[in-house]
Amino acid sequence: KAGVTQTPRYLIKTRGQQVTLSCSPISGHRSVSWYQQTPGQGLQFLFEYFSETQRNKGNFPGRFSGRQFSNSRSEMNVSTLELGDSALYLCASSFSDFEAFFGQGTRLTVV
Amino acid sequence: GIQVEQSPPDLILQEGANSTLRCNFSDSVNNLQWFHQNPWGQLINLFYIPSGTKQNGRLSATTVATERYSLLYISSSQTTDSGVYFCADDYNTDKLIFGTGTRLQVFP
Repeated sequence: KAGVTQTPRYLIKTRGQQVTLSCSPISGHRSVSWYQQTPGQGLQFLFEYFSETQRNKGNFPGRFSGRQFSNSRSEMNVSTLELGDSALYLCASSFSDFEAFFGQGTRLTVV
Repeated sequence: GIQVEQSPPDLILQEGANSTLRCNFSDSVNNLQWFHQNPWGQLINLFYIPSGTKQNGRLSATTVATERYSLLYISSSQTTDSGVYFCADDYNTDKLIFGTGTRLQVFP
């Protein structure tokens, strides 16, 4: 059974650009969550989607957005990138809100 | 706000030693999990343990839900156990709240 797949694995962007990250959940999982990990703030929740609906959103500016497609795949977008957006972005999927399984992450560097 | 406290923040061991990592929760636990973050950043599931005790090889975990804490035991540690260990719970909110992690270094 394939795990959670995140693409791309690494990304370098310039300040002011926008970026889109992708997450394919484990087959059958309908909940997808996104987290940001930085050395200073640790692991912080961004948002969670279930059946194409955003159910929960963390305390991040509106530049961070996401969506979920009918096949449960999810994307997150960050517009007008800032240096502070450099982080490891992790996606997790779960079945019926129980155990969460994480992908390998996308490491974003903003220069 | 809801918090997860992990201790110790850092742990240095020699191969073969045993260790205990602890998580304290500020509210009733719901879907408690332990993870190991590998050097490439991926969070590897160790245990899903909202209550009781589980064992997997050299690792075991115990959650005492009534007292809002969980323990992760690592026995006969190996260098491959090095990394950061996180506990997390969703507190019935659809989002995981993570502790700050325990950084474990195991030397040969």
